[in-house]
Amino acid sequence: DAKTTQPPSMDCAEGRAANLPCNHSTISGNEYVYWYRQIHSQGPQYIIHGLKNNETNEMASLIITEDRKSSTLILPHATLRDTAVYYCIETGDGLTFGKGTHLIIQP
Amino acid sequence: EAQVTQNPRYLITVTGKKLTVTCSQNMNHEYMSWYRQDPGLGLRQIYYSMNVEVTDKGDVPEGYKVSRKEKRNFPLILESPSPNQTSLYFCASKPGPVDSNQPQHFGDGTRLSIL
Repeated sequence: DAKTTQPPSMDCAEGRAANLPCNHSTISGNEYVYWYRQIHSQGPQYIIHGLKNNETNEMASLIITEDRKSSTLILPHATLRDTAVYYCIETGDGLTFGKGTHLIIQP
Repeated sequence: EAQVTQNPRYLITVTGKKLTVTCSQNMNHEYMSWYRQDPGLGLRQIYYSMNVEVTDKGDVPEGYKVSRKEKRNFPLILESPSPNQTSLYFCASKPGPVDSNQPQHFGDGTRLSIL
Protein backbone atom coordinates (compact mmCIF):
# COMPACT_ATOMS: atom_id res chain seq x y z
CA ASP A 1 0.00 0.00 0.00
CA ALA A 2 1.06 3.57 -0.63
CA LYS A 3 2.72 5.23 2.32
CA THR A 4 1.79 8.78 1.30
CA THR A 5 -1.45 10.68 1.69
CA GLN A 6 -2.66 13.28 -0.80
CA PRO A 7 -5.96 15.08 -1.31
CA PRO A 8 -7.94 13.41 -4.09
CA SER A 9 -8.50 16.59 -6.07
CA MET A 10 -7.66 20.30 -6.21
CA ASP A 11 -8.53 23.26 -8.41
CA CYS A 12 -6.25 26.14 -9.35
CA ALA A 13 -6.74 29.18 -11.56
CA GLU A 14 -4.59 29.45 -14.64
CA GLY A 15 -1.54 31.64 -14.01
CA ARG A 16 -1.65 31.12 -10.28
CA ALA A 17 0.71 28.98 -8.24
CA ALA A 18 -0.57 25.46 -7.61
CA ASN A 19 0.44 24.06 -4.23
CA LEU A 20 -0.02 20.32 -3.86
CA PRO A 21 0.44 18.84 -0.37
CA CYS A 22 1.61 15.37 0.55
CA ASN A 23 1.91 13.66 3.92
CA HIS A 24 4.61 11.02 4.34
CA SER A 25 4.74 10.66 8.11
CA THR A 26 6.40 7.23 8.03
CA ILE A 27 9.28 8.22 5.78
CA SER A 28 12.66 6.98 6.97
CA GLY A 29 15.92 8.88 6.99
CA ASN A 30 17.31 7.68 3.69
CA GLU A 31 14.10 7.74 1.66
CA TYR A 32 13.55 10.38 -0.97
CA VAL A 33 10.26 12.01 -1.83
CA TYR A 34 9.46 11.91 -5.55
CA TRP A 35 6.76 13.66 -7.50
CA TYR A 36 5.37 12.44 -10.80
CA ARG A 37 2.37 13.45 -12.84
CA GLN A 38 0.17 11.62 -15.29
CA ILE A 39 -1.73 13.37 -18.04
CA HIS A 40 -4.79 11.39 -19.18
CA SER A 41 -3.57 7.79 -19.57
CA GLN A 42 -0.02 8.60 -20.63
CA GLY A 43 2.99 7.21 -18.79
CA PRO A 44 3.81 9.01 -15.53
CA GLN A 45 6.25 11.87 -15.98
CA TYR A 46 8.95 12.62 -13.42
CA ILE A 47 8.80 16.14 -11.96
CA ILE A 48 11.17 16.52 -9.04
CA HIS A 49 12.55 14.76 -5.97
CA GLY A 50 14.27 15.63 -2.70
CA LEU A 51 15.61 14.28 0.55
CA LYS A 52 15.81 17.09 3.10
CA ASN A 53 16.44 20.36 1.33
CA ASN A 54 14.04 22.29 -0.81
CA GLU A 55 14.55 21.71 -4.52
CA THR A 56 13.75 23.65 -7.66
CA ASN A 57 13.98 22.77 -11.32
CA GLU A 58 12.47 24.09 -14.54
CA MET A 59 9.14 22.44 -13.83
CA ALA A 60 8.47 22.97 -10.15
CA SER A 61 9.67 23.56 -6.61
CA LEU A 62 9.58 21.08 -3.77
CA ILE A 63 9.31 22.23 -0.17
CA ILE A 64 10.01 19.56 2.45
CA THR A 65 9.22 20.26 6.10
CA GLU A 66 12.04 20.09 8.60
CA ASP A 67 10.68 16.91 10.18
CA ARG A 68 10.30 15.44 6.66
CA LYS A 69 6.78 14.27 7.39
CA SER A 70 5.21 16.31 4.65
CA SER A 71 6.06 18.17 1.48
CA THR A 72 4.49 20.57 -1.00
CA LEU A 73 4.92 20.61 -4.74
CA ILE A 74 4.64 24.09 -6.20
CA LEU A 75 3.89 24.78 -9.85
CA PRO A 76 4.66 28.52 -9.92
CA HIS A 77 2.49 29.58 -12.87
CA ALA A 78 -0.02 26.87 -13.64
CA THR A 79 -1.25 26.44 -17.19
CA LEU A 80 -4.09 24.37 -18.61
CA ARG A 81 -1.52 21.77 -19.66
CA ASP A 82 -0.69 21.18 -16.01
CA THR A 83 -4.07 19.52 -15.50
CA ALA A 84 -3.08 15.99 -14.48
CA VAL A 85 -2.94 13.51 -11.61
CA TYR A 86 0.07 14.24 -9.39
CA TYR A 87 1.68 11.45 -7.38
CA CYS A 88 3.88 11.84 -4.36
CA ILE A 89 5.84 8.68 -3.52
CA GLU A 90 8.65 7.58 -1.23
CA THR A 91 11.49 5.40 -2.35
CA GLY A 92 12.23 2.40 -0.23
CA ASP A 93 11.55 -1.28 -0.57
CA GLY A 94 9.11 -0.68 -3.39
CA LEU A 95 7.94 2.10 -5.61
CA THR A 96 4.24 2.21 -4.82
CA PHE A 97 2.05 4.89 -6.30
CA GLY A 98 -1.08 5.83 -4.42
CA LYS A 99 -4.11 7.45 -5.98
CA GLY A 100 -2.57 10.89 -6.28
CA THR A 101 -4.17 14.32 -6.53
CA HIS A 102 -6.20 15.25 -9.59
CA LEU A 103 -5.20 18.86 -10.23
CA ILE A 104 -7.58 20.80 -12.44
CA ILE A 105 -6.40 24.11 -13.81
CA GLN A 106 -9.33 26.42 -14.45
CA PRO A 107 -9.15 29.02 -17.26
CA GLU B 1 16.32 9.76 -27.67
CA ALA B 2 16.23 8.09 -24.27
CA GLN B 3 13.03 6.12 -23.99
CA VAL B 4 11.12 3.11 -22.73
CA THR B 5 9.21 1.40 -25.53
CA GLN B 6 6.24 -0.88 -24.98
CA ASN B 7 4.49 -3.04 -27.55
CA PRO B 8 1.74 -3.43 -28.38
CA ARG B 9 0.08 -0.19 -27.31
CA TYR B 10 -3.38 -1.74 -27.55
CA LEU B 11 -4.52 -5.35 -27.55
CA ILE B 12 -7.89 -7.04 -27.41
CA THR B 13 -7.74 -10.77 -26.91
CA VAL B 14 -9.65 -13.67 -25.40
CA THR B 15 -9.41 -15.55 -22.14
CA GLY B 16 -6.68 -18.18 -22.05
CA LYS B 17 -4.71 -17.08 -25.09
CA LYS B 18 -1.11 -16.51 -24.04
CA LEU B 19 0.25 -13.07 -24.71
CA THR B 20 3.47 -11.14 -24.19
CA VAL B 21 3.90 -7.41 -23.79
CA THR B 22 7.41 -6.33 -24.64
CA CYS B 23 9.35 -3.56 -22.95
CA SER B 24 12.68 -2.22 -24.09
CA GLN B 25 14.83 0.64 -22.81
CA ASN B 26 17.84 2.25 -24.47
CA MET B 27 19.35 3.91 -21.40
CA ASN B 28 21.39 0.95 -20.08
CA HIS B 29 19.27 0.99 -16.92
CA GLU B 30 19.68 -1.84 -14.42
CA TYR B 31 16.25 -1.59 -12.81
CA MET B 32 13.04 -2.29 -14.70
CA SER B 33 9.49 -2.68 -13.49
CA TRP B 34 5.95 -3.41 -14.58
CA TYR B 35 2.84 -1.68 -13.22
CA ARG B 36 -0.84 -1.99 -13.84
CA GLN B 37 -3.27 0.86 -13.44
CA ASP B 38 -6.95 0.40 -12.72
CA PRO B 39 -9.59 3.05 -12.01
CA GLY B 40 -9.54 4.13 -8.38
CA LEU B 41 -6.53 1.96 -7.51
CA GLY B 42 -3.57 3.99 -8.75
CA LEU B 43 -0.51 2.25 -10.13
CA ARG B 44 0.34 -1.09 -8.60
CA GLN B 45 3.65 -2.84 -9.13
CA ILE B 46 3.48 -6.32 -10.70
CA TYR B 47 7.12 -7.39 -10.96
CA TYR B 48 10.47 -5.73 -10.94
CA SER B 49 14.02 -6.59 -11.90
CA MET B 50 17.13 -5.16 -10.35
CA ASN B 51 19.42 -6.55 -13.03
CA VAL B 52 19.81 -9.29 -15.62
CA GLU B 53 18.47 -12.63 -14.36
CA VAL B 54 17.21 -10.98 -11.15
CA THR B 55 13.44 -10.58 -10.83
CA ASP B 56 11.09 -10.24 -7.89
CA LYS B 57 7.40 -9.94 -7.16
CA GLY B 58 5.71 -6.64 -6.62
CA ASP B 59 2.33 -6.06 -5.03
CA VAL B 60 0.14 -7.88 -7.57
CA PRO B 61 2.17 -10.64 -9.29
CA GLU B 62 -0.55 -13.30 -9.58
CA GLY B 63 -1.20 -14.38 -13.16
CA TYR B 64 1.94 -12.79 -14.57
CA LYS B 65 5.46 -13.88 -15.41
CA VAL B 66 8.51 -11.88 -16.39
CA SER B 67 12.01 -12.58 -17.61
CA ARG B 68 15.17 -10.52 -17.79
CA LYS B 69 17.62 -12.25 -20.10
CA GLU B 70 19.08 -9.01 -21.41
CA LYS B 71 19.55 -5.67 -19.73
CA ARG B 72 17.43 -3.72 -22.20
CA ASN B 73 14.37 -6.02 -22.34
CA PHE B 74 11.81 -6.94 -19.70
CA PRO B 75 8.79 -8.71 -21.22
CA LEU B 76 5.56 -9.26 -19.30
CA ILE B 77 3.95 -12.62 -19.97
CA LEU B 78 0.34 -13.58 -19.36
CA GLU B 79 0.26 -17.37 -19.74
CA SER B 80 -3.52 -17.67 -19.44
CA PRO B 81 -5.08 -14.21 -19.44
CA SER B 82 -8.36 -13.64 -17.66
CA PRO B 83 -10.81 -10.73 -17.78
CA ASN B 84 -9.58 -9.39 -14.41
CA GLN B 85 -6.27 -8.65 -16.12
CA THR B 86 -7.93 -6.10 -18.34
CA SER B 87 -5.98 -2.99 -17.45
CA LEU B 88 -3.53 -0.30 -18.50
CA TYR B 89 0.06 -1.51 -18.14
CA PHE B 90 3.21 0.54 -17.78
CA CYS B 91 6.83 -0.47 -17.98
CA ALA B 92 9.46 1.66 -16.26
CA SER B 93 13.22 1.73 -15.85
CA LYS B 94 15.82 3.50 -13.77
CA PRO B 95 19.57 3.26 -13.31
CA GLY B 96 21.00 1.52 -10.29
CA PRO B 97 19.33 -0.45 -7.49
CA VAL B 98 15.83 0.33 -6.34
CA ASP B 99 16.90 2.69 -3.58
CA SER B 100 19.27 4.79 -5.61
CA ASN B 101 18.58 8.48 -6.05
CA GLN B 102 17.26 8.30 -9.59
CA PRO B 103 13.77 8.78 -11.02
CA GLN B 104 11.97 6.18 -13.09
CA HIS B 105 11.29 6.61 -16.78
CA PHE B 106 7.95 5.26 -17.96
CA GLY B 107 6.75 3.89 -21.25
CA ASP B 108 3.59 5.15 -22.95
CA GLY B 109 1.48 2.27 -21.71
CA THR B 110 -0.27 -0.81 -23.11
CA ARG B 111 -4.01 -1.09 -22.87
CA LEU B 112 -5.07 -4.73 -22.63
CA SER B 113 -8.63 -5.96 -22.92
CA ILE B 114 -9.27 -9.62 -22.12
CA LEU B 115 -12.68 -10.81 -23.27
